[in-house]
Amino acid sequence: DIVMTQSPDSLAVSLGERATINCKSSQSLLYNSNNKNYLAWYQQKPGQPPKLLIYWASTRESGVPDRFSGSGSGTDFTLTISSLQAEDVAVYHCQQYYGSPPHTFGQGTKVEIK
Amino acid sequence: EVQLLESGGGLVQPGGSLRLSCVVSGFTFSNYAMSWVRQAPGKGLEWVSGISGSGDYTEYTDSVKGRFTISRDNSKNTLFMQMNGLRVEDTAQYYCVKGSTVTAAGTFCHHWGQGTVVTVSS
Repeated sequence: DIVMTQSPDSLAVSLGERATINCKSSQSLLYNSNNKNYLAWYQQKPGQPPKLLIYWASTRESGVPDRFSGSGSGTDFTLTISSLQAEDVAVYHCQQYYGSPPHTFGQGTKVEIK
Repeated sequence: EVQLLESGGGLVQPGGSLRLSCVVSGFTFSNYAMSWVRQAPGKGLEWVSGISGSGDYTEYTDSVKGRFTISRDNSKNTLFMQMNGLRVEDTAQYYCVKGSTVTAAGTFCHHWGQGTVVTVSS
């Protein structure tokens, strides 16, 4: 199975500052035939189910603010919140969906306000 | 609007069984793969099982193989998870998830239900 590792486990960022979360996979998530990276990011606020933020590593889901962006390719990916807002306090999860299941998740990164 | 409503969770003793259900609306159910994802208290997300839109392909994480069975009734817009031989480590919130494609391969978690809680304890 593909192992997903996020870093850091938690981070505290001042309002309006940039937050950066990393996600590394144990094998490439780039499918050469379509040049797509099978990597998604989810946001989970306390007491709520996860919500899709980004898929194909960098495509923002409809309605997601443009301060959220995804980047990376192959085995290394990044979720960036360009200007942290109070409502962005949450746990962020990456997930690989390359090929057949199991489609494993990273361990999650908790984002708090400094 | 896509809606996913889980039910069937509860408290069960080790070795017991539960059947989770997820009734969906707002989309053509048979056109999408579905999954169950769980989250143990204070822990991260764990993909548990997936099924293709037609129901002819299923897959499981290793820890539940032989104990859990995923299925769907496309005529009733309902996803199921039969859980047998439950263990303490199966305690978690179980989410019903709509995929992004009809196949279970290459599908991300597009929409999530609110979840149902399964507690395995003596």
